[in-house]
Amino acid sequence: SYELTQPPSVSVSPGQTASITCSGDKLGDKYACWYQQKPGQSPVLVIYQDSKRPSGIPERFSGSNSGNTATLTISATQSTDEADYYCQAWDTSTVVFGGGTKLTVL
Amino acid sequence: EVQLVESGGGLVQPGGSLKLSCTPSGFTFSDSAMHWVRQASGKGLEWVGRIRSKANNYATAYGASVKGRFTISRDDSKNTAYLQMNSLKTEDTAVYYCTRLWANWNAFDIWGQGTMVTVSS
Repeated sequence: SYELTQPPSVSVSPGQTASITCSGDKLGDKYACWYQQKPGQSPVLVIYQDSKRPSGIPERFSGSNSGNTATLTISATQSTDEADYYCQAWDTSTVVFGGGTKLTVL
Repeated sequence: EVQLVESGGGLVQPGGSLKLSCTPSGFTFSDSAMHWVRQASGKGLEWVGRIRSKANNYATAYGASVKGRFTISRDDSKNTAYLQMNSLKTEDTAVYYCTRLWANWNAFDIWGQGTMVTVSS
């Protein structure tokens, strides 16, 4: 079965850039999405089709996907960005989520 | 307001059954594929399964861990999607979310608040 691998945790200082990676076999041949989940809340879509942002998502959120790795980049990170982030892709018609990355802003 | 509301969660014994409901508002439910995703406490997101629209023959698909035990259905006349869970195991304990697949983006753009299912004796 297809697997997506994320680092369990990433730390960043306020105002700096955070990068969260998601690795999978030939992931660049698929579309990747990213979801943000804060404690006690439902996931929120922040990036779709590798690099597109839904309305209401700040411009500091961006994404890329090439080769075996998709990357979520958060520029000028704020304390409000502290959350768990999940990548997601499709394996034929089934959905695959990465294990999640806890972003700590300190 | 566009939203999804799940209901039906609760405590059930191992081997038992439970049926969850997902009711949308603010969008055309019948045109949308609906998915279920679960999350055990302190763990990541796990895809449970989906049901497509009438135009796609209400096709269903399931994750490996629930296949053969869980069934997803929908009643477009009632604007409701369902998750029937049978032969429940303790490892099925989780918050269950329903979510809409926005076909234009091939991504989940609307999520419910989740309903807790606890499987325990």
